[in-house]
Amino acid sequence: AQSVTQLGSHVSVSEGALVLLRCNYSSSVPPYLFWYVQYPNQGLQLLLKYTSAATLVKGINGFEAEFKKSETSFHLTKPSAHMSDAAEYFCAVRTGANSKLTFGKGITLSVRP
Amino acid sequence: DVKVTQSSRYLVKRTGEKVFLECVQDMDHENMFWYRQDPGLGLRLIYFSYDVKMKEKGDIPEGYSVSREKKERFSLILESASTNQTSMYLCASSLEGPAETQYFGPGTRLLVL
Repeated sequence: AQSVTQLGSHVSVSEGALVLLRCNYSSSVPPYLFWYVQYPNQGLQLLLKYTSAATLVKGINGFEAEFKKSETSFHLTKPSAHMSDAAEYFCAVRTGANSKLTFGKGITLSVRP
Repeated sequence: DVKVTQSSRYLVKRTGEKVFLECVQDMDHENMFWYRQDPGLGLRLIYFSYDVKMKEKGDIPEGYSVSREKKERFSLILESASTNQTSMYLCASSLEGPAETQYFGPGTRLLVL
């Protein structure tokens, strides 16, 4: 079975500070990992995804994530937060063609001026 | 750009009513999905479809049914709406393949009174 854990429900950072959103997965086979973002009153959109190529994945809006198999992690980072980054962020895992996409519970990012 | 549209952004229905939520995608995607999103629970898969007239149950299919008569359209039906079906409903579509991105619609916020 596959699962995703996003610890905590809310992260608050100052504008210009490092953003770190944690994601740990559980999977018995090599996973495909995704980060999605949801801005207020909108659907989800893909930030980035890991598909077994490079372990450091760069996405949109300056975000990146590193796949660490030994830690079963896929944490999302951005060096400098912007007010427009305030949103809800979801980590998701999929393990094969016949498996569904399993989402974490999501984490809300607030950015303080 | 992929576009996934949902028929309503907001709906208010009475307990016991039959409710139809419509989703249309314009990118000829094979797969379509219906999720519900609740605070603290993330996204949960209700039903998905990998081809016209095909459907598969997700994690929480009880109280819901779906219809896919055309490739671009996937409908979610609440046969007899109940208050515990008050939620945000998100439709998504994707190409075939485990690494493919799911593209989401803007969501329908349903309130059942």
